[in-house]
Amino acid sequence: NAGVTQTPKFRILKIGQSMTLQCTQDMNHNYMYWYRQDPGMGLKLIYYSVGAGITDKGEVPNGYNVSRSTTEDFPLRLELAAPSQTSVYFCASSYRTGDGNTIYFGEGSWLTVV
Amino acid sequence: EDKVVQSPLSLVVHEGDTVTLNCSYEVTNFRSLLWYKQEKKAPTFLFMLTSSGIEKKSGRLSSILDKKELFSILNITATQTGDSAVYLCAVNDMRFGAGTRLTVKP
Repeated sequence: NAGVTQTPKFRILKIGQSMTLQCTQDMNHNYMYWYRQDPGMGLKLIYYSVGAGITDKGEVPNGYNVSRSTTEDFPLRLELAAPSQTSVYFCASSYRTGDGNTIYFGEGSWLTVV
Repeated sequence: EDKVVQSPLSLVVHEGDTVTLNCSYEVTNFRSLLWYKQEKKAPTFLFMLTSSGIEKKSGRLSSILDKKELFSILNITATQTGDSAVYLCAVNDMRFGAGTRLTVKP
């Protein structure tokens, strides 16, 4: 089973460049998330989506954009890369019912901005 | 502002020891608390807790939630070197603590 797939795994960007991190899930989950994890830190929520066509800001949304045109896909866009965006990015999904549910993570994307 | 605080931030023990990891939280509209283990890559799910006082167990790991005092603990008994990892606590799917880095020495 594929689960949550994110690409690319590694990327080096120059300051000011743009890129999109792709994320797709095949579990028909309604919720999808993007987190970033800086070295030695926990995960911080960037954006999340409760279903196709609906997105919302998390804790650290500045410098990022997302869209959710289908249930399966939730790409994360960096418009003008900055060194502060050097981090590991995790996409995740869950089937949220009343109390919440297990979050399934992708394997991570290591991004360096130089 | 919602907050999740884990303690200790790091812990070094020897094989066979028992450890207790703590997670306290202040969030609006609590729904669930989740524990994850993170080794080199993505976090892997351990437990989801929604009700106070009900212990969840999986082998040598167990966890319990106290919704009155707003905390949860994760216990690991008879630790092994394979338990070395960062343990993350998350509340309502979205707010993670900084994690506790556990190192188990042979």
